[in-house]
Amino acid sequence: ETGVTQSPTHLIKTRGQQVTLRCSSQSGHNTVSWYQQALGQGPQFIFQYYREEENGRGNFPPRFSGLQFPNYSSELNVNALELDDSALYLCASSLASRGGGYGYTFGSGTRLTVV
Amino acid sequence: AQKITQTQPGMFVQEKEAVTLDCTYDTSDPSYGLFWYKQPSSGEMIFLIYQGSYDQQNATEGRYSLNFQKARKSANLVISASQLGDSAMYFCAMRERNFGNEKLTFGTGTRLTIIP
Repeated sequence: ETGVTQSPTHLIKTRGQQVTLRCSSQSGHNTVSWYQQALGQGPQFIFQYYREEENGRGNFPPRFSGLQFPNYSSELNVNALELDDSALYLCASSLASRGGGYGYTFGSGTRLTVV
Repeated sequence: AQKITQTQPGMFVQEKEAVTLDCTYDTSDPSYGLFWYKQPSSGEMIFLIYQGSYDQQNATEGRYSLNFQKARKSANLVISASQLGDSAMYFCAMRERNFGNEKLTFGTGTRLTIIP
């Protein structure tokens, strides 16, 4: 059983640029959630994707967007990067129905630095 | 709104001793779940233990146990016989379900350092 894989592991971008982060979910999981973890803080929920649709969103602006593909992998896109977007971005997969579920598997994250 | 509070920014514990990491939570939902995760410097969130709000007994997983006091809204993690490899950040998190979707709300974490 494969775990959650995120790519790239590290990334440096310039303010105003756009970035795409990728996540392959654990085998058998159908839901992907994205979290932003700023330095010294706990992760903050960005959004969740289930059956290729956004299924819940945290307090993040629309320039944070995502996709989920038929194989349940996912992308997080951030437009117009700001310095405060510098953080560790974590992807978590789980098996859930519309009624919810539990049992999250996290990836190792992508560390994004905006300069 | 839900909230998770971890009041210990850092702890130093002697190897082989037991350690308790504190977590209190605030929710008006009768159904919720509480998680503890370990985050080493590599960044990955490693699942340690889970407690459902309706579970009658405290959860245990090997050296980890969760001291769940529902009336006090407390869910402390107890690590018995600490090891050097236990040095990491530890996060308490609560699962929130809302209209068919769910998310985890995390605390600010406790940095645990095991001293040889």
